[in-house]
Amino acid sequence: AQSVTQPDIHITVSEGASLELRCNYSYGATPYLFWYVQSPGQGLQLLLKYFSGDTLVQGIKGFEAEFKRSQSSFNLRKPSVHWSDAAEYFCAVGLNFGNEKLTFGTGTRLTIIP
Amino acid sequence: DAGVIQSPRHEVTEMGQEVTLRCKPISGHDYLFWYRQTMMRGLELLIYFNNNVPIDDSGMPEDRFSAKMPNASFSTLKIQPSEPRDSAVYFCASSPAGSGANVLTFGAGSRLTVL
Repeated sequence: AQSVTQPDIHITVSEGASLELRCNYSYGATPYLFWYVQSPGQGLQLLLKYFSGDTLVQGIKGFEAEFKRSQSSFNLRKPSVHWSDAAEYFCAVGLNFGNEKLTFGTGTRLTIIP
Repeated sequence: DAGVIQSPRHEVTEMGQEVTLRCKPISGHDYLFWYRQTMMRGLELLIYFNNNVPIDDSGMPEDRFSAKMPNASFSTLKIQPSEPRDSAVYFCASSPAGSGANVLTFGAGSRLTVL
């Protein structure tokens, strides 16, 4: 079965600083990969997804993620964070087309300091 | 579209009571998912439907939990009887068919507290 690991439970960065959130997956083939963001008291919102093709994918709110097959990673990046980016971020993996289940990581809570 | 709509947003009940959570998916979406979120276990998939038919309920914790989807615009998750360990945020999500099936749109969640 596929699995997702987000090694960082909590990250604190200064406003304007760059950000990288780590995500590693375990799956025999190339999975579908996702990043979702959850603001307090809200549901999860899709930031970006990777299905195939270009390994660098752009998402909403200025986020991007890079799929690295050799490292089984799909790290999320943003060059300059804003206070509104404070939230919980979830990496998720799905199997290839035909199986709609997503497995989520445990999440990384992002705190932004002025 | 109003998105995925869940009700109630908050529910506080006593142990042993029946709890019913409701979900209205996005119109035209063929898949509906129920997830549970807790601090200890994170996000867990409980069950999902395709065209109103349950496809995988392996995540339903025990017989006290049941889910139905009587039509394309409505689903319920019922817990009877409820227990304190059921306290969690329950999310409903929906997705379209085809290549978008993995792309979930989540509701705002129903926060359940069982005393």
